[in-house]
Amino acid sequence: DIQMTQSPSTLSASVGDRVTITCRASQTIISWLAWYQHKPGKVPKLLVYRASSLESGVPSRFRGSGSGTEFTLTISSLQPEDFATYYCQQYNSYSHTFGQGTKVEIK
Amino acid sequence: EVQLVESGGGLVKPGGSLRLSCAAFGFTFSSYDMHWVRQAPGKGLEWVSSISSSNNYIHYADSVKGRFSISRDNAKNSLYLQMNSLRAEDTAVYYCARRTDLRAFDYWGQGTLVTVSS
Repeated sequence: DIQMTQSPSTLSASVGDRVTITCRASQTIISWLAWYQHKPGKVPKLLVYRASSLESGVPSRFRGSGSGTEFTLTISSLQPEDFATYYCQQYNSYSHTFGQGTKVEIK
Repeated sequence: EVQLVESGGGLVKPGGSLRLSCAAFGFTFSSYDMHWVRQAPGKGLEWVSSISSSNNYIHYADSVKGRFSISRDNAKNSLYLQMNSLRAEDTAVYYCARRTDLRAFDYWGQGTLVTVSS
């Protein structure tokens, strides 16, 4: 099975900060990687698919990059509504593994 | 409007069984692979199981293999998860999700809570 490792697990940041989350796959997943935002009591929301394609309606401050085994999600200027937990997910193999999540907290 | 509505969650004793349902609205259900994902209290998202659009391919996470069974009824636009031999560690919110070829899981249900406790 493909393992997904996210870092950091928790990130403290202020409004306006640039934030970067990293996701590493245990083997190549080409570009079959998605990023989700999840807030407590809400449904996970797709932000980025195919590693770098922005889902419709997602603000352009979110940017995904990478290929192979190394991927990043960057938020260029953190907004109050962006405080949440972010997950990467590989969908190259049947197991559709998620990373363990990165909680973005208010500093 | 695309909607996924789960039902069937509740409190069950260890070793018991439960059947979750996911009703789909607003899209051609038979054209999409469907998945179950869960989130245990205080934990992250965990992929559980998947079924292809025409029932040809079924997969399970190792943590539920042999105990859970996924199925679908395309005539009823419904997805199911039969959960047997439930354990405390199966306690979680269970989500159904639609899988697209390019965009991974683009729509999710609201989730249904399963609590396994004596």
